[in-house]
Amino acid sequence: GPKVLQIPSHQIIDMGQMVTLNCDPVSNHLYFYWYKQILGQQMEFLVNFYNGKVMEKSKLFKDQFSVERPDGSYFTLKIQPTALEDSAVYFCASSFLDNQDTQYFGPGTRLLVL
Amino acid sequence: SQLAEENSWALSVHEGESVTVNCSYKTSITALQWYRQKSGKGPAQLILIRSNEREKRNGRLRATLDTSSQSSSLSITATRCEDTAVYFCATDASGYNKLTFGKGTVLLVSP
Repeated sequence: GPKVLQIPSHQIIDMGQMVTLNCDPVSNHLYFYWYKQILGQQMEFLVNFYNGKVMEKSKLFKDQFSVERPDGSYFTLKIQPTALEDSAVYFCASSFLDNQDTQYFGPGTRLLVL
Repeated sequence: SQLAEENSWALSVHEGESVTVNCSYKTSITALQWYRQKSGKGPAQLILIRSNEREKRNGRLRATLDTSSQSSSLSITATRCEDTAVYFCATDASGYNKLTFGKGTVLLVSP
């Protein structure tokens, strides 16, 4: 089936540094999402993105977070500066439509902030 | 409080048996989705059931939705070892694919 890729699979950084998580969504998809999963907890919605704009974001999407997809390349989540509580697995997803359409998830990027 | 929640932390069955995972949710929804996540992979959608549907099937999988009790179930018949995974229900209250996931039920299918 359609595949979403995420790069890198793992990232370890020091608190205060910047990190960029990259997502290669399904090629004809128009809607893009980031979710965060802390170990042992449920996956939580961060943000969705369409036509170059953030459509909706949750309270977890702090001011230090930003997303973009310049020129149809990777859909990125940037955290600057990082904090200890940002340690989690970040999942990217994409869908063709927004209304109840299937979201295809990537394998996740495991971020550890020291 | 959890907006979507599976009712069991873990289930264990033998190959060939049937199993049911239950989920309850707290808000009005437009749709409920069941996902499966295998170790090291992202979630994969199994079934999407809309709020005006009561039952949906996909091969060996059957999902039900009861909007009056705000609950859903996912049944798997003739289980296989490769069904071993974490099963999540996820609700969409907005209709715009902003999913709220439960914590998941670990299903172990042994030979």
